[in-house]
Amino acid sequence: DGGITQSPKYLFRKEGQNVTLSCEQNLNHDAMYWYRQDPGQGLRLIYYSQIVNDFQKGDIAEGYSVSREKKESFPLTVTSAQKNPTAFYLCASRGQYQETQYFGPGTRLLVL
Amino acid sequence: QKEVEQNSGPLSVPEGAIASLNCTYSDRGSQSFFWYRQYSGKSPELIMFIYSNGDKEDGRFTAQLNKASQYVSLLIRDSQPSDSATYLCAVFSGSARQLTFGSGTQLTVLP
Repeated sequence: DGGITQSPKYLFRKEGQNVTLSCEQNLNHDAMYWYRQDPGQGLRLIYYSQIVNDFQKGDIAEGYSVSREKKESFPLTVTSAQKNPTAFYLCASRGQYQETQYFGPGTRLLVL
Repeated sequence: QKEVEQNSGPLSVPEGAIASLNCTYSDRGSQSFFWYRQYSGKSPELIMFIYSNGDKEDGRFTAQLNKASQYVSLLIRDSQPSDSATYLCAVFSGSARQLTFGSGTQLTVLP
């Protein structure tokens, strides 16, 4: 059963805490992306990775960090520097010769 | 700044009518264009993509592209209440190898 999985579905962050969102895909896709969506808004790109061990900042990278140690995995860490982290976080992936991105189910991050 | 603009709506149509969703983009170098549907609280799912000028039909959905006018639209024929969702337009830039999304149009199909 191929696809993109994200965990957890809901995540609660305390003040000053770093939290990590998981994204795994078994589609053999090279490129992976992290987006943030605020209520009533479109998707804004946080980070993306075209290949393993390489990633690029998107439009709103401040307060976030990523790693790409394996082709299948692209975790996102929301650091304490991100002062307004409450949002819906979406991971996506794309095949090397494709332009279509496919999305995981998302993680909703809430601040306690 | 590459931009993708959509009317936020909400757009309401009666069941069985044609819903027309519109999108304009600023980057003339854009190569391909996507429509995603997003139900409330869920992730976007791909409906259609289009690369060439003209119309592309898939079931009740038709995507229309006019690169000269930098305009792409999605028509939904015989609209159903299950079509009620937010529709996101996305544009792929070959130079950046990434999608730029519009803010979405909320569609409600009234029974």
